[in-house]
Amino acid sequence: KNEVEQSPQNLTAQEGEFITINCSYSVGISALHWLQQHPGGGIVSLFMLSSGKKKHGRLIATINIQEKHSSLHITASHPRDSAVYICAASMDSNYQLIWGAGTKLIIKP
Amino acid sequence: EAGVAQSPRYKIIEKRQSVAFWCNPISGHATLYWYQQILGQGPKLLIQFQNNGVVDDSQLPKDRFSAERLKGVDSTLKIQPAKLEDSAVYLCASSLATGVYNEQFFGPGTRLTVL
Repeated sequence: KNEVEQSPQNLTAQEGEFITINCSYSVGISALHWLQQHPGGGIVSLFMLSSGKKKHGRLIATINIQEKHSSLHITASHPRDSAVYICAASMDSNYQLIWGAGTKLIIKP
Repeated sequence: EAGVAQSPRYKIIEKRQSVAFWCNPISGHATLYWYQQILGQGPKLLIQFQNNGVVDDSQLPKDRFSAERLKGVDSTLKIQPAKLEDSAVYLCASSLATGVYNEQFFGPGTRLTVL
């Protein structure tokens, strides 16, 4: 069982819809990262959070430490949001990132 | 600020050939990472450097993969000889230092196809 699980694996939605991507982890973490990867492109860090909620533009990330769960939300989704969204955990014991498998998001116009 | 640079962006080789990838991290970043990302999976850390020293190479297949960061700045990753299962995107990332709160910045990646 992967220590970081994401759902759904694939998500297709219409432009304007509210999007939620979930991430659950089974280890003690110091920080949870959300990253974005466009087809053929590199990875961009969106958020790094260890508690509560962060917002950047139309993106919102939340984390519940007790439930070992984080969500990434996209409001008023747009076709340019189409990408793979990956959550990754920084563990308490070391500096390495434990990666989820990613959620492939497609926003149709 | 310039980002992490990688070259080449794409490479196609036949199995048993050799290949090398180059990475130039963000200026001033002490820590450099090489990841392998197979299609449909999350990135897997191959090796991590702190300046010119290796911090972690536990997942590097040392019989065929090697990496160096001689002057503590840019780095090369080599595969010799390549196998079909090495087809993947090789990502380089850098961070200011090592630690759980140090954000990693990623390059565009090198997509390797082994035929």
